[in-house]
Amino acid sequence: DVKVTQSSRYLVKRTGEKVFLECVQDMDHENMFWYRQDPGLGLRLIYFSYDVKMKEKGDIPEGYSVSREKKERFSLILESASTNQTSMYLCASSSEQNYSNQPQHFGDGTRLSIL
Amino acid sequence: AQTVTQSQPEMSVQEAETVTLSCTYDTSESDYYLFWYKQPPSRQMILVIRQEAYKQQNATENRFSVNFQKAAKSFSLKISDSQLGDAAMYFCAYTTSSYNNDMRFGAGTRLTVKP
Repeated sequence: DVKVTQSSRYLVKRTGEKVFLECVQDMDHENMFWYRQDPGLGLRLIYFSYDVKMKEKGDIPEGYSVSREKKERFSLILESASTNQTSMYLCASSSEQNYSNQPQHFGDGTRLSIL
Repeated sequence: AQTVTQSQPEMSVQEAETVTLSCTYDTSESDYYLFWYKQPPSRQMILVIRQEAYKQQNATENRFSVNFQKAAKSFSLKISDSQLGDAAMYFCAYTTSSYNNDMRFGAGTRLTVKP
């Protein structure tokens, strides 16, 4: 089974801090994604990456950046955390093979609170 | 904008009965793929079922089946013989072949199963 591991289940940070959320997958997937999940809004794509050192903006990239130095690891960075970034963050990965019909595999999520 | 609409924020069903969750989507693409994901209270999102738009036959996975109406852009999920373990948030999603597995999600439907 595909394993997508997010480094923290719960995280509390202060306004203005630089925050790193880490995600690792063990299936050699080409594609990796970061979403935020808010009640009533579903999942919204922040950034995704289809290869090492490649990144693409999703629907809500403002206030975030990403890093993909190795194929298995995709990091989400909040450069200067703000209270409106309090949310659940989900990482996912998928294979490139017939890429558009491959399901995404998700991690457990990180519930981030910015005080 | 390409969107996914789940018009039922909450649904409930009696154990052993059948429930249908609604989903409509809007895309101008002719080739796309549809998914239903389940997110139990433990939070990991898992794939329930998927459907290729070019296939007329509705997908089925054990107690889960879909009613795919391409002309109406409707993709509902039917759960038969509901079990307590089916209680979860259900998300409808789709992806097109035009980009790197960029998946669009609905806002979700919270399903409660009553014993």
